[in-house]
Amino acid sequence: DTAVSQTPKYLVTQMGNDKSIKCEQNLGHDTMYWYKQDSKKFLKIMFSYNNKELIINETVPNRFSPKSPDKAHLNLHINSLELGDSAVYFCASSQSGWNTEAFFGQGTRLTVV
Amino acid sequence: SQQGEEDPQALSIQEGENATMNCSYKTSINNLQWYRQNSGRGLVHLILIRSNEREKHSGRLRVTLDTSKKSSSLLITASRAADTASYFCATTSIAGNNRKLIWGLGTSLAVNP
Repeated sequence: DTAVSQTPKYLVTQMGNDKSIKCEQNLGHDTMYWYKQDSKKFLKIMFSYNNKELIINETVPNRFSPKSPDKAHLNLHINSLELGDSAVYFCASSQSGWNTEAFFGQGTRLTVV
Repeated sequence: SQQGEEDPQALSIQEGENATMNCSYKTSINNLQWYRQNSGRGLVHLILIRSNEREKHSGRLRVTLDTSKKSSSLLITASRAADTASYFCATTSIAGNNRKLIWGLGTSLAVNP
């Protein structure tokens, strides 16, 4: 049983397209996150939701819109994709926020061509 | 801004040797966490050490924390080829209303059989 699962694992798309990445956790955690990892492996928080409510929204272009239909799901929709959006995107969850261990999905490698 | 910085950036050792990685951070913290990332995979939590703890063990892993020097070290004893991965430290700051993990750039460890 996968604790945090995200789909798809690979996504290749053209500039200007709109795409979504889905994430689900079956751990019963209250908090979910989206991270972006660049080619140098730097990990940057994008969004954090706690019980379906947005609590962290870093300086991310508003082309990125997270949606949390329930506390087990946090999807990421990206409009008008740009070359610079190419990266690995990780979904993660934790029991009660930033002070507890985070469980990560396997990542979605997004390539914009 | 980046909080944690690991060193060395890359480490190559022989199987059976010990590997030590260091992490330095800038502001006072609640806790510090170490994660491992195998190539092409998500991050896996290894150890969380709280600011009032000085040392913690988990199997072949030993983590120390020196809050006066704002640094932590991760020691992997009797390394195995399967330990080959990138290792990241992440901190939670007590400053202001900060509610996110701040990540370092990671140490890339190669354990040669």
